[in-house]
Amino acid sequence: NAGVTQTPKFRILKIGQSMTLQCTQDMNHNYMYWYRQDPGMGLKLIYYSVGAGITDKGEVPNGYNVSRSTTEDFPLRLELAAPSQTSVYFCASSYSGRAGIKGETQYFGPGTRLLVL
Amino acid sequence: GENVEQHPSTLSVQEGDSAVIKCTYSDSASNYFPWYKQELGKRPQLIIDIRSNVGEKKDQRIAVTLNKTAKHFSLHITETQPEDSAVYFCAASYGYSTLTFGKGTMLLVSP
Repeated sequence: NAGVTQTPKFRILKIGQSMTLQCTQDMNHNYMYWYRQDPGMGLKLIYYSVGAGITDKGEVPNGYNVSRSTTEDFPLRLELAAPSQTSVYFCASSYSGRAGIKGETQYFGPGTRLLVL
Repeated sequence: GENVEQHPSTLSVQEGDSAVIKCTYSDSASNYFPWYKQELGKRPQLIIDIRSNVGEKKDQRIAVTLNKTAKHFSLHITETQPEDSAVYFCAASYGYSTLTFGKGTMLLVSP
């Protein structure tokens, strides 16, 4: 199993440009998540999905969009990139979304480092 | 929503010493508390977790304790080694809620 994979690893965007961050998992996990990690800060949830066709906002969704057409893929779309979106983006997945139930462990991808200038 | 506070933000120890990182949470309903380790430039990886029906859990040199009454949980690393140097994150969740992470602790282990 490759686990959770993300592309690209690094990207520089100009203000106002758009891009899609790709995330794929091959563990047949139902739940997928997008986080951003700013320097010196923890992980903040952007969006998550409980299964194909179902997505929901996290703590910091503004400026982002997601879709989940398959179990495996969960792309994150940035529209009109702003310097405030400079960050490291992590995708994660888990089998279960139920805390305290076996399978709730989240597995992270390697991250995408995004710089908006 | 849930709020997780983590202390200290940085921790320096000598190799062989013990390290303790503490987290407090706000929602008494939280029942799952994982700890993640993130090495420089790498992804966060789960190192240990605890559920609210357990007070302590150990895995070799790592242990986690949970005090539900005080709403805090701690990570204990004994006999620290240079490869333990990393950022450690605590988190909390309950039911179908999503994980809320602390801001992280940078642990530096000097040889």
